[in-house]
Amino acid sequence: DVKVTQSSRYLVKRTGEKVFLECVQDMDHENMFWYRQDPGLGLRLIYFSYDVKMKEKGDIPEGYSVSREKKERFSLILESASTNQTSMYLCASTGVDEQFFGPGTRLTVL
Amino acid sequence: DAKTTQPPSMDCAEGRAANLPCNHSTISGNEYVYWYRQIHSQGPQYIIHGLKNNETNEMASLIITEDRKSSTLILPHATLRDTAVYYCIVREYMNYGGSQGNLIFGKGTKLSVKP
Repeated sequence: DVKVTQSSRYLVKRTGEKVFLECVQDMDHENMFWYRQDPGLGLRLIYFSYDVKMKEKGDIPEGYSVSREKKERFSLILESASTNQTSMYLCASTGVDEQFFGPGTRLTVL
Repeated sequence: DAKTTQPPSMDCAEGRAANLPCNHSTISGNEYVYWYRQIHSQGPQYIIHGLKNNETNEMASLIITEDRKSSTLILPHATLRDTAVYYCIVREYMNYGGSQGNLIFGKGTKLSVKP
């Protein structure tokens, strides 16, 4: 089975902490994405990457950065977590016909 | 902004067909219709996509009107596990490179399958 995995299902952090969310895919996909999902707002694209070491800003990149050192791994970094970054974070990678999503990380920033 | 309009919620009896409508009146000639669903506390899952012909796979059928301004996703025999939010998305065919992999999700239809 193809898979996109995320390092944590649930995470609780304090304001100001640096937070790393890891995503790994085993499908040799070139394109990977980070979204956040909030009630009433749907999925919003934070960053995406179409190749190793390549990244592009999505719709809401402020407060986030990303790292893609290896093809299979795409990391989302919250440099200094804030309470408004409490959300569900979804990682995805793109195949020929579909986008495969990970199970999500529910992050709470206190 | 999402280019689609879906009813916010629908109910369906277990074992019956679930027909989920989607309006996409501004769809352009090179845009496909994709359907995804999201079961509670999970990531979205691909269901099916099509351009203008009707499509069927092991999960569902997709019926696209001749003018392509609307479509219907059909789950032929809904089960309780089909309870989810269903998203209809219009976009150019996914391929590699650039931002073309991005999906714009609207609010979807919350389908509740009841025993």
